[in-house]
Amino acid sequence: SQKIEQNSEALNIQEGKTATLTCNYTNYSPAYLQWYRQDPGRGPVFLLLIRENEKEKRKERLKVTFDTTLKQSLFHITASQPADSATYLCALDNNAGNMLTFGGGTRLMVKP
Amino acid sequence: GAVVSQHPSWVICKSGTSVKIECRSLDFQATTMFWYRQFPKQSLMLMATSNEGSKATYEQGVEKDKFLINHASLTLSTLTVTSAHPEDSSFYICSASRGGNLYEQYFGPGTRLTVT
Repeated sequence: SQKIEQNSEALNIQEGKTATLTCNYTNYSPAYLQWYRQDPGRGPVFLLLIRENEKEKRKERLKVTFDTTLKQSLFHITASQPADSATYLCALDNNAGNMLTFGGGTRLMVKP
Repeated sequence: GAVVSQHPSWVICKSGTSVKIECRSLDFQATTMFWYRQFPKQSLMLMATSNEGSKATYEQGVEKDKFLINHASLTLSTLTVTSAHPEDSSFYICSASRGGNLYEQYFGPGTRLTVT
């Protein structure tokens, strides 16, 4: 069966360090993968999209890698700040166009 | 740009009543809108996909007669929870897509439904 796995345990890091979150999937062949940020009681906010033929994508302090052989995406936040504390969700498409399936999310806590 | 609003942001209703939630794309036309449900500390679960002017496509296990979706225009979709029960209490989130090659979905702020 199809699965998208993110570390359900919260990730606690010190301000200024790089946070690395993992998204692993099985039985998917996504054309693209997305990362979202969700704050408590709010809807997700789109961060980055990376396509299957892209290895890496960057946006300001964010970097996403996509390894279709390992079936894994890594999401990095460099020079992390307390304001980066949130839950981060990865999402994969269903290859038919624009339907997304979300992972369970990883909560990131950045301590000052 | 790409702002999606939801109304109401929270609602409390009695068991057996119906509740309507609106989802609007404020500054773009949404060819497709999606409705998700999220239980505490869980991820978003897609309930249905709707395209303007056509019937919604429901995910397996979602009762279409209980969760009525109307997508009457390119900027408005509504979800009506009919004969609500306490187990329908959840966080309902809509998203909108501009379609084409833009695969990003723009999410609304969510609606917290509590059924007493």
